[in-house]
Amino acid sequence: GQQLNQSPQSMFIQEGEDVSMNCTSSSIFNTWLWYKQEPGEGPVLLIALYKAGELTSNGRLTAQFGITRKDSFLNISASIPSDVGIYFCAGQLNNNDMRFGAGTRLTVKP
Amino acid sequence: NAGVTQTPKFQVLKTGQSMTLQCAQDMNHNSMYWYRQDPGMGLRLIYYSASEGTTDKGEVPNGYNVSRLNKREFSLRLESAAPSQTSVYFCASKIPFPRPKAFFGQGTRLTVV
Repeated sequence: GQQLNQSPQSMFIQEGEDVSMNCTSSSIFNTWLWYKQEPGEGPVLLIALYKAGELTSNGRLTAQFGITRKDSFLNISASIPSDVGIYFCAGQLNNNDMRFGAGTRLTVKP
Repeated sequence: NAGVTQTPKFQVLKTGQSMTLQCAQDMNHNSMYWYRQDPGMGLRLIYYSASEGTTDKGEVPNGYNVSRLNKREFSLRLESAAPSQTSVYFCASKIPFPRPKAFFGQGTRLTVV
């Protein structure tokens, strides 16, 4: 089945640095969602995007719905140790299945 | 507000054994889903139920069966477990289009030996 291409696969950054990750697809979506998963837990929704070009923030997190409808990115500003986890993107077109990226594993060094 | 609750959290099975993973949601959502998560693979859809009384296959349904017992509960059954079914299983319920959002349980970590 079609998966989204999420990059990078992993990131090792210093506390205080900004982080950027993205998701691309060969198909268009009309919904992009970003999730965070911590060890032993299920994915938790961070940001939902429903319109091409939409830019939405949640605290230090900002996500954008690409204007081509085939990509989305997530930025985290001034990272802190509790940002550690795996970040997943998900895309959906109409009532079709929600598709997930393979995740970006973020490590933050104090 | 519990959201999506899965049981058990951990399970070890021997090859050929059967078991049922339970899922319940208290958000009154019509749609419920079962995913499996394997390293480097993201989340793959096993089965889903768009509403009470209906179920449909997802991307990787082989070896699994599901039951939508009522609006709250959606169970996943492994009739004869295989080592390839070692994975972490997530149940989710979803707000539908046009503004979909999926909410996940904490997962069941299953090991088949």
